[in-house]
Amino acid sequence: QQQVKQSPQSLIVQKGGISIINCAYENTAFDYFPWYQQFPGKGPALLIAIRPDVSEKKEGRFTISFNKSAKQFSLHIMDSQPGDSATYFCAATTVRGGSRLTFGEGTQLTVNP
Amino acid sequence: NAGVMQNPRHLVRRRGQEARLRCSPMKGHSHVYWYRQLPEEGLKFMVYLQKENIIDESGMPKERFSAEFPKEGPSILRIQQVVRGDSAAYFCASSILPGLRTYEQYFGPGTRLTVT
Repeated sequence: QQQVKQSPQSLIVQKGGISIINCAYENTAFDYFPWYQQFPGKGPALLIAIRPDVSEKKEGRFTISFNKSAKQFSLHIMDSQPGDSATYFCAATTVRGGSRLTFGEGTQLTVNP
Repeated sequence: NAGVMQNPRHLVRRRGQEARLRCSPMKGHSHVYWYRQLPEEGLKFMVYLQKENIIDESGMPKERFSAEFPKEGPSILRIQQVVRGDSAAYFCASSILPGLRTYEQYFGPGTRLTVT
């Protein structure tokens, strides 16, 4: 019940295209859903996050779509750039439960020039 | 404003030795989390600490692993009698004071432990 399932495992997109990464969760107590970006040899960097009281959040080229009834959320990267090539992790937590993050398995994104 | 600091960045230990990993949270942050990332896998929660208290250690292996966050100084993750399966990247994250967006966690660069 604590799992977060992420897909696809890897994704190749052309420059300028849209990258879409999906996550699904089971625990209905989760109430905070961040996305992290990780470059090789670096720590994960908080990219964007959403609470379940909204269905969409946009920051620059990054958008989270959230479907509470389906227990799914996704990251959309518009106008993908080669510099976006990294591993992306979705995560979930309960704010009042101590905030330990449960991560998805990760998606390795490659944006070809 | 310095971010989360971890040292050493790389650590090589022989089987049976001890590994000590250090984490200094961001300024103003009093919550520390440790996560482990095995090769080609996602991050797994290990332990959550506040100053002088272990809040949640449900992700810690029962033996050989311990963590502390003293009143003064960095948080320490200690692995005794390391085995090859302990080889991984260990990440520390910190979050701000209670009641102020404690759910936002910021990660350090990690310590890459190799056990030979």
